Amino acid sequence: GQNIDQPTEMTATEGAIVQINCTYQTSGFNGLFWYQQHAGEAPTFLSYNVLDGLEEKGRFSSFLSRSKGYSYLLLKELQMKDSASYLCAVLDSNYQLIWGAGTKLIIKP
Amino acid sequence: GAVVSQHPSWVICKSGTSVKIECRSLDFQATTMFWYRQFPKQSLMLMATSNEGSKATYEQGVEKDKFLINHASLTLSTLTVTSAHPEDSSFYICSARRLGDNYEQYFGPGTRLTVT
Repeated sequence: GQNIDQPTEMTATEGAIVQINCTYQTSGFNGLFWYQQHAGEAPTFLSYNVLDGLEEKGRFSSFLSRSKGYSYLLLKELQMKDSASYLCAVLDSNYQLIWGAGTKLIIKP
Repeated sequence: GAVVSQHPSWVICKSGTSVKIECRSLDFQATTMFWYRQFPKQSLMLMATSNEGSKATYEQGVEKDKFLINHASLTLSTLTVTSAHPEDSSFYICSARRLGDNYEQYFGPGTRLTVT
């Protein structure tokens, strides 16, 4: 079967750094996405990785290791507005998105 | 570019009635549109994939006669929840894949359905 695992909830302090991990087992791989979702809203795109390595985009970076079936999203200089759920999703061999359950990130002052 | 709209943004209906939700790609042509459902504190669950001009492909466990999907043009797909019941209350989100694009999906803002 296909499976994506990420922690259910994480807590971090404003101004700090947090890393959200995602491991996956899917039938085929055509890339991994990270989305941010605030309560009651649709997901918004953060990053897409298809090759191994680190992709940096402002305060957010995403890392991928295809051999390990592993990715992480790194958030720096945390702000209160970063409190949200972060969804990891893998594009499988049929170009269908397989979604993780999401990680709820709580930022404390 | 790549804006997707949904209408309505929220709707309240009585049990037994039907509700139609529209999903439009505003500035691009979408060959494929996806319909998701999300219950509180859960992740997105894909309900069906619709391709313009053909029948939708439903995920296992999703009743095609209850959730009618029509993808009549390259910019519009509709989801009709027929004979709605309180357990159908959920957040329905559509996404669209641009013509010629294999990977990225652009999400609409979602529709909150409450069945009383």
